[in-house]
Amino acid sequence: GAVVSQHPSRVICKSGTSVKIECRSLDFQATTMFWYRQFPKQSLMLMATSNEGSKATYEQGVEKDKFLINHASLTLSTLTVTSAHPEDSSFYICSADGRLAGEDEQFFGPGTRLTVL
Amino acid sequence: AQKITQTQPGMFVQEKEAVTLDCTYDTSDPSYGLFWYKQPSSGEMIFLIYQGSYDQQNATEGRYSLNFQKARKSANLVISASQLGDSAMYFCAMREPQGGSEKLVFGKGTKLTVNP
Repeated sequence: GAVVSQHPSRVICKSGTSVKIECRSLDFQATTMFWYRQFPKQSLMLMATSNEGSKATYEQGVEKDKFLINHASLTLSTLTVTSAHPEDSSFYICSADGRLAGEDEQFFGPGTRLTVL
Repeated sequence: AQKITQTQPGMFVQEKEAVTLDCTYDTSDPSYGLFWYKQPSSGEMIFLIYQGSYDQQNATEGRYSLNFQKARKSANLVISASQLGDSAMYFCAMREPQGGSEKLVFGKGTKLTVNP
């Protein structure tokens, strides 16, 4: 149990386009999901906390108008990278808080590798 | 100030031997949780072990154990009987309540290489 999926797993897009990444908790509900970004050979950096039915909370330095987050249900959060540029190329990982499922940890999706040309 | 410190960028261990990956943390909150995750080259984050700040005993999960020394604010991961498949990045993380959102803060990670 406690599986989180992400779609797509890999995306290549042209500069200036928008990309939507979906994060789903498949067999449990999560009021809170988190979006991270990981550059090569670096650690995960939290971008924002996504709360079901309310606005996301963004970390300092993360542009909320560029990284749009929607958490419309207890099993789905989406991250849209608007007007993507090459510097947005990164590995994006979501996680879901497992405490509604009786677990202590966050469950991570497999990640989405974004390449902006 | 960095909240999670992993001082070993890389570690090497022989197959079947034990290895300790270091992690120290900084918090003034009495309630917190400590996690270790493994990230193989595929990128997925695999949960290994959890230690709550109020847990009296060190956490263990199969070959993984957490050496929790609360006074020293350290939470080292011990992997016994290393296997080739253990080669990966290992991240220590802390969860503490911050304004109702209990987010994780990660260390910089340690790259473990298991040699045959």
